[in-house]
Amino acid sequence: NAGVTQTPKFRILKIGQSMTLQCTQDMNHNYMYWYRQDPGMGLKLIYYSVGAGITDKGEVPNGYNVSRSTTEDFPLRLELAAPSQTSVYFCASRLTSESYEQYFGPGTRLTVT
Amino acid sequence: AQSVAQPEDQVNVAEGNPLTVKCTYSVSGNPYLFWYVQYPNRGLQFLLKYITGDNLVKGSYGFEAEFNKSQTSFHLKKPSALVSDSALYFCAVRDKNAGNMLTFGGGTRLMVKP
Repeated sequence: NAGVTQTPKFRILKIGQSMTLQCTQDMNHNYMYWYRQDPGMGLKLIYYSVGAGITDKGEVPNGYNVSRSTTEDFPLRLELAAPSQTSVYFCASRLTSESYEQYFGPGTRLTVT
Repeated sequence: AQSVAQPEDQVNVAEGNPLTVKCTYSVSGNPYLFWYVQYPNRGLQFLLKYITGDNLVKGSYGFEAEFNKSQTSFHLKKPSALVSDSALYFCAVRDKNAGNMLTFGGGTRLMVKP
């Protein structure tokens, strides 16, 4: 199993541009998450999904959108990039709501200038 | 609302010495507590968890953590540090009364010097 994979690894955007961060897991996990990690701030939950077709907002959803058309994929969309969205983005998954361990992808480092 | 605090931004320890990385939490119900480790340019990796039972839990790479309900703490420990333990460590709490969401602390950088 590849686990949780994310693309791209790095990206530089200009203010106002849009992009999609890709996340795929091959573990047949129901739950998937997007976090952002800012220096010294820990991880903040952006959006999450409990299964295909179901998504919900986390702690910091503004400026982002998600979709979950399949169990495997959970892309994160930035429509109008802003410097405040400069961060490292992590996708994670776990099997069910009762599963204890979350599996994380390697992250995408995004810079908006 | 649940919260996690890691009071130290960085912990420095000499190789071979014991290490402690501190974590305190606040939840409304019974906590599920976790430690994750992050190596440079990598995602977070699960180290250990406390769900119920023995207050001392053992995890990967020789790490252990002690749950203390009265002090609302869950400190990470290792009897003998290795240089390869140098990484960023995150404490997290899950509150079943808060939709099973994980809340992370700000992280503590562990530096083990030879």
